Amino acid sequence: GAGVSQSPRYKVAKRGQDVALRCDPISGHVSLFWYQQALGQGPEFLTYFQNEAQLDKSGLPSDRFFAERPEGSVSTLKIQRTQQEDSAVYLCASSLGDLEKLFFGSGTQLSVL
Amino acid sequence: SQQGEEDPQALSIQEGENATMNCSYKTSINNLQWYRQNSGRGLVHLILIRSNEREKHSGRLRVTLDTSKKSSSLLITASRAADTASYFCATDPNTPLVFGKGTRLSVIA
Repeated sequence: GAGVSQSPRYKVAKRGQDVALRCDPISGHVSLFWYQQALGQGPEFLTYFQNEAQLDKSGLPSDRFFAERPEGSVSTLKIQRTQQEDSAVYLCASSLGDLEKLFFGSGTQLSVL
Repeated sequence: SQQGEEDPQALSIQEGENATMNCSYKTSINNLQWYRQNSGRGLVHLILIRSNEREKHSGRLRVTLDTSKKSSSLLITASRAADTASYFCATDPNTPLVFGKGTRLSVIA
C-alpha cells in the first residue's frame, strides 16, 4: 500500500482480555517500530524490528506485551490480560533503514474498561 | 524515557504570524528530526537535520541545530490555520528515535 496501515483503528477491551494489534508497513521497509502514546504525551518506544529480527524490546512495559514480525513484513503487537493502564494509542512506524525518517500509521486507540 | 524536551508546551498565535518551537536534548546525536501530529492521526515527518548541519529550510519551515548547546529550533513562517497541530522533535543517540513531549500549536484564523 501507499502508507503504513494499522488495524483496528479503535479497540475496546474488557480488563483481562487479550488483544492483537496489526501493522502493515510500507513495502520494502526494513525497519519497523512500535510506540505507545498516552494522551497529551509524545510517543514512547516499545520495540523495534529489522526485517524479522526483534533487535530491541527494552520499551515493552511488562511480559504481557509481545510483538512479532515473522516474515519481515506485517507485525502484530499482542497484549495479554489487558489492564486499564494499557489504554493508549499504539503507533506503528516503518523506515528504509536505521536513522532514517519514520513513516507512521494512524495508530490503534486502545481503551481498556 | 524522553530525551527531547520541547518548549513551549503550548503556543497560540494569529494566522500570518511566525511560530517558534524549541527542543533541548541530553546526549550526543546523529540527526535531529521534527514531526507533526494532527489530532487523532499518526506523526508526519517534516525535516531531518544532521549533526554536522546548522540550519535547514523546507518551504515555510526553518530548522536550526546547535550541538554545543544540545538544542534545536523549528520556525514556521506565515502560519496558517492548517498548521494547528502538535510538533515533536526526535533524536537518535541510537536506534530507535526518542521523542519529546511536543508543543501544541494553535493558529487562530
